[in-house]
Amino acid sequence: GAGVSQSPSNKVTEKGKDVELRCDPISGHTALYWYRQSLGQGLEFLIYFQGNSAPDKSGLPSDRFSAERTGGSVSTLTIQRTQQEDSAVYLCASSQDRRGAFFGQGTRLTVV
Amino acid sequence: GEDVEQSLFLSVREGDSSVINCTYTDSSSTYLYWYKQEPGAGLQLLTYIFSNMDMKQDQRLTVLLNKKDKHLSLRIADTQTGDSAIYFCVAGGYNKLIFGAGTRLAVHP
Repeated sequence: GAGVSQSPSNKVTEKGKDVELRCDPISGHTALYWYRQSLGQGLEFLIYFQGNSAPDKSGLPSDRFSAERTGGSVSTLTIQRTQQEDSAVYLCASSQDRRGAFFGQGTRLTVV
Repeated sequence: GEDVEQSLFLSVREGDSSVINCTYTDSSSTYLYWYKQEPGAGLQLLTYIFSNMDMKQDQRLTVLLNKKDKHLSLRIADTQTGDSAIYFCVAGGYNKLIFGAGTRLAVHP
């Protein structure tokens, strides 16, 4: 597709369960970001991938959060033992240079 | 630390110009961006400016950068109701984008 694709668009999970969120970046984009946006809040940086370099994981809020990017393309954000405070919209973006990143529509995660 | 600050709310009359301001703290930010988020929609990249520029114009949008004061502004000419949205000022560091809290622009007749 032409844009960043994220799946699922909505996810409701029970507290304590693990979830996986997927991001398909724009083809050829070497940089990939994960952010989350809580209700009424700004965007919180989670993790950044650039090519084959080691990812910048400095924004991951706890060791329950992890992400990987396979083959320099698709990325998966995994949240283990979900908590209610993990409820948010998780946004993925990709870019090919410094002229701006393009965001997907996000995955709305609700932990009940 | 890295921070981007912007006013939270702006109300303008349709047809007037809107000016949204922001300040950033990271002097190593070499690229600065404006994003737009409409209700229930994703983030749309509006424009960007390099830190070695002081102005960029793109149709109704004008971006002004004062690098010395670390101040960025977005001017929207002839503001329309379709411009109602949240506008995010974003500072681009080496490996992350630092978002401001967003300015909610309300356009009224």
